[in-house]
Amino acid sequence: KAGVTQTPRYLIKTRGQQVTLSCSPISGHRSVSWYQQTPGQGLQFLFEYFSETQRNKGNFPGRFSGRQFSNSRSEMNVSTLELGDSALYLCASSTTTDTQYFGPGTRLTVL
Amino acid sequence: QQQVKQSPQSLIVQKGGISIINCAYENTAFDYFPWYQQFPGKGPALLIAIRPDVSEKKEGRFTISFNKSAKQFSLHIMDSQPGDSATYFCAASSPGGGSQGNLIFGKGTKLSVKP
Repeated sequence: KAGVTQTPRYLIKTRGQQVTLSCSPISGHRSVSWYQQTPGQGLQFLFEYFSETQRNKGNFPGRFSGRQFSNSRSEMNVSTLELGDSALYLCASSTTTDTQYFGPGTRLTVL
Repeated sequence: QQQVKQSPQSLIVQKGGISIINCAYENTAFDYFPWYQQFPGKGPALLIAIRPDVSEKKEGRFTISFNKSAKQFSLHIMDSQPGDSATYFCAASSPGGGSQGNLIFGKGTKLSVKP
């Protein structure tokens, strides 16, 4: 089975812009979770989608949003980018169990 | 109460030695404890995981030891190899996840295995 894929792998944006990241889960996985990884804060949970519905949400501002499509692919959007949004954004997919499989991430740099 | 505390922050081990990384938690609702390995430029990869009804789980050179009463768990890497040099994260989750997410991660341990 193919693993979790994320596109694009690298992004450079400027403050105030918005960005959309994409994640394709492992075939058959219906749950997609997003995490932000930074050197200072480590891995922090953003949100989880299951069958097109947001099931859990972390403590991030409303500028961070996401959605899931009927084929389980997911996108996350960050509006009005800030310098502090520079991070590695990771997507993880799972079935209905706890085991999560991570993609390679999208490295976002905000200038 | 939702935190997972991981130590040490960095670890240097000689080839063939044992690497030990420790984690502690407070939330007794946690019922799943995975360890992830991350190489630079890659996403975290699941290494091994344990549930509280088991005190130890071994997979190859990797062993998780779990102490429910102390609310601690640890990863032991036997016969450490230079290829094991990576950052290791412990994590924990509770049924249903919640606002803290499916997985709550420790801050990570950067392991360096010297040849």
